[in-house]
Amino acid sequence: GENVEQHPSTLSVQEGDSAVIKCTYSDSASNYFPWYKQELGKRPQLIIDIRSNVGEKKDQRIAVTLNKTAKHFSLHITETQPEDSAVYFCAAHQKWGSARQLTFGSGTQLTVLP
Amino acid sequence: DADVTQTPRNRITKTGKRIMLECSQTKGHDRMYWYRQDPGLGLRLIYYSFDVKDINKGEISDGYSVSRQAQAKFSLSLESAIPNQTALYFCATRSWGGYANTGELFFGEGSRLTVL
Repeated sequence: GENVEQHPSTLSVQEGDSAVIKCTYSDSASNYFPWYKQELGKRPQLIIDIRSNVGEKKDQRIAVTLNKTAKHFSLHITETQPEDSAVYFCAAHQKWGSARQLTFGSGTQLTVLP
Repeated sequence: DADVTQTPRNRITKTGKRIMLECSQTKGHDRMYWYRQDPGLGLRLIYYSFDVKDINKGEISDGYSVSRQAQAKFSLSLESAIPNQTALYFCATRSWGGYANTGELFFGEGSRLTVL
């Protein structure tokens, strides 16, 4: 089955700096790569996603890049703010049963220091 | 607002007890999922369902069963709970459509289960 490896597990940055979280996947047929943010005590929520026919996608301070050849994708957060502090999960599509479903990485605890 | 609701939110039980976690949604989505969250392990798929007659095992289905009572309701059961099933459980939904079964998952607020 597919593994999705996520690094680092914890990341601390100063407010205003950039943060980068990286993920690798093993299933070359994966074609969809979302990122979810989970604030403390809350449910995970989608923040951005990318499909395999696109190499980069941006949404304000957040961007995701995908390298299908190397099978890795990354989340970039610029000008970090305290409210960016949360656990971030990457995910990739994998086949479970009759259809492809998401396999999540182990998560990155991002702390933005004021 | 349309939402995904889980009950109970917190439950403490003993080894060997039967436990049911319930999920209902008002989003009108046909696809429903149960995930388990453990520290350092991310979210792992237990079961998923595309409609009341279509239920599929996920990555870690052993020790769990599910029931899709209606389009809006999807329950997770632990027939005989054991301590390593202590975790945070999330129900999620997704609408049909989109490209190749992709699209946003909408999670419930989670059910924290402790098995002593």
